[in-house]
Amino acid sequence: KAGVTQTPRYLIKTRGQQVTLSCSPISGHRSVSWYQQTPGQGLQFLFEYFSETQRNKGNFPGRFSGRQFSNSRSEMNVSTLELGDSALYLCASSSTSGFRTSTDTQYFGPGTRLTVL
Amino acid sequence: AQSVAQPEDQVNVAEGNPLTVKCTYSVSGNPYLFWYVQYPNRGLQFLLKYITGDNLVKGSYGFEAEFNKSQTSFHLKKPSALVSDSALYFCAVRDILRETSYDKVIFGPGTSLSVIP
Repeated sequence: KAGVTQTPRYLIKTRGQQVTLSCSPISGHRSVSWYQQTPGQGLQFLFEYFSETQRNKGNFPGRFSGRQFSNSRSEMNVSTLELGDSALYLCASSSTSGFRTSTDTQYFGPGTRLTVL
Repeated sequence: AQSVAQPEDQVNVAEGNPLTVKCTYSVSGNPYLFWYVQYPNRGLQFLLKYITGDNLVKGSYGFEAEFNKSQTSFHLKKPSALVSDSALYFCAVRDILRETSYDKVIFGPGTSLSVIP
């Protein structure tokens, strides 16, 4: 089956703009998690959605928001972009909420590389 | 405060030798523990996780990890390293805090593994 897809793959924005990133999970997966990866801060968890509800949230300012649609596709929005938002944004899907069962596996998309100028 | 440490930035091992990538953690509640691998230009992949039960967890590509509660460690191991195992490895912990809505998810800084032919 098709893997996790993220669009766009690359994005260049300027400070103050807003951006929306999209993630389509593996068919049948209802959980989508978002992560930010930067050279300075490493990997950081943004949030997790399951069945259109935010189930977990990392320590990011309110400029970072997300949502999940009934088909499990998820979008992440960053408003009022700052230079420090330049990062690789990864999403991952799994079948259970919180990736909490021993047998569940998490699959990652290729990421969206966001550059803020 | 919750934290994840990977005490070695770089681990070098000869092909065919056993490898260990170390991870220690500090949590407030009960931990779920994870290992991820990031190959150059291939994105992030889930390797294995500890949720509950047997302290020795087996994962993808012949990797395994042992949960040691008394030492708060979750070291990644493989009996015989391959050159193709060369990659960046991340340990992560999900701190299950039952009294709050959200679990804290923290990644370690990563360990670069080089397997030398």
